[in-house]
Formats: sequence, C-alpha cells, structure tokens
Amino acid sequence: DTGVSQDPRHKITKRGQNVTFRCDPISEHNRLYWYRQTLGQGPEFLTYFQNEAQLEKSRLLSDRFSAERPKGSFSTLEIQRTEQGDSAMYLCASSLAQLAGDTQYFGPGTRLTVL
Amino acid sequence: EDKVVQSPLSLVVHEGDTVTLNCSYEVTNFRSLLWYKQEKKAPTFLFMLTSSGIEKKSGRLSSILDKKELSSILNITATQTGDSAIYLCAVYPGGFKTIFGAGTRLFVKA
Repeated sequence: DTGVSQDPRHKITKRGQNVTFRCDPISEHNRLYWYRQTLGQGPEFLTYFQNEAQLEKSRLLSDRFSAERPKGSFSTLEIQRTEQGDSAMYLCASSLAQLAGDTQYFGPGTRLTVL
Repeated sequence: EDKVVQSPLSLVVHEGDTVTLNCSYEVTNFRSLLWYKQEKKAPTFLFMLTSSGIEKKSGRLSSILDKKELSSILNITATQTGDSAIYLCAVYPGGFKTIFGAGTRLFVKA
C-alpha cells in the first residue's frame, strides 16, 4: 500500500495523559499536513511541513500540541495533558507541491477519545 | 477571513435520483477548488477545478466552477447507495493552507 498511513487508528486516553500519533506520507510527497476533524465539520488545518521544516501552525494549536517531521519523512503529532475537548479525528495528508493546486491525499485518521 | 460554505448540509434521496451539491467561497486569493468524498474515514480526492466553465467528469460525477459567482457544483446522476457519504469542498488559495467547508452529508436510500 503506497498511500498515507497513520498509527494508531484509535486511541482512548484519560484526561491529562500525553498521546503521540504517527503519519507516514506518500514517499515522494514533500508536503505534510495535520488536520483535526470533529463531528459535522470539515477538516480544520493544524500545521504544515514542507520537507522537514514546519512552516505554519494554526492558532488552534495550543502549546500542548507539537509536531515534528524529522528528515522530511514521517511526522509525529504529540498532545500533552490531553483535555476532553481534544477528542476528535486527527487526519494527516500529504501532497506534492504544484503551482495550480495542492491535491492532498489523506490517511485513514487517528480517532482520539479523551475520557 | 477566508471561508467555504456548502449547501445543503444534508440530503436524503432515493436510488436513481440526481443530486446537485453547492459550494461557495470567499477567499483573498484563489488557485483551485477541490472536491473530496468522505465515507467512514479519510477524505478521498474527486476533482480539482481551476478554470471557470470547464466541466470535470468521472463516471456519474461531474463538477464545474464559476469564478464569477465564486461557486462550484457537484452533480451526481443515477445515485446509488454507495454514493452515501460526506462531500467536502475545499479551496486552495495558494501557499500552504487549504480551507474546507463543513461538507454535505448525502444519504441515498435503496
């Protein structure tokens, strides 16, 4: 399977715990995105990497959230001291930058439930 | 603030019906508009539109962009139960950020 993969697919945690998610993009894609999606909403942008550089973070991303993409390959998203409001689907997408458009290919997502 | 608005929010039809989903946008810059289909998990890419008036087709699905009206429609003819999904519209203004609408939830009854 050469698509975007994410791990784990589901995570249940207690409030206050730290969680880390992993995303493996399509190998030749240089852009990687993290989104959060809650019920009834479209994906909300969290952060973006071009190769290994994190070029933008949404103001939605509090200090408890951090993302890395070492060596420009896979990426991790960590949430520290989780809160119930963090419960959502966390989607990763990758793309190959083009002038006209940015067709992003999504992974299956990690569904986080904070109890 | 850039935004993408989709309508209707939800739609219930019978198999064989034709449906039209709407997307309108307000963005400071525009490069392309994208449609995605989301079933139980991740959105899957359907179309990317960059030019007004040029229809993109894939089987029973088609889409067209109207840059003057800042909108796009997605048509599905002869709907099937497998078309039941959330259809997301997104606009790429350039740079890094893609703005998604809330989606239209389509349910096709057998």
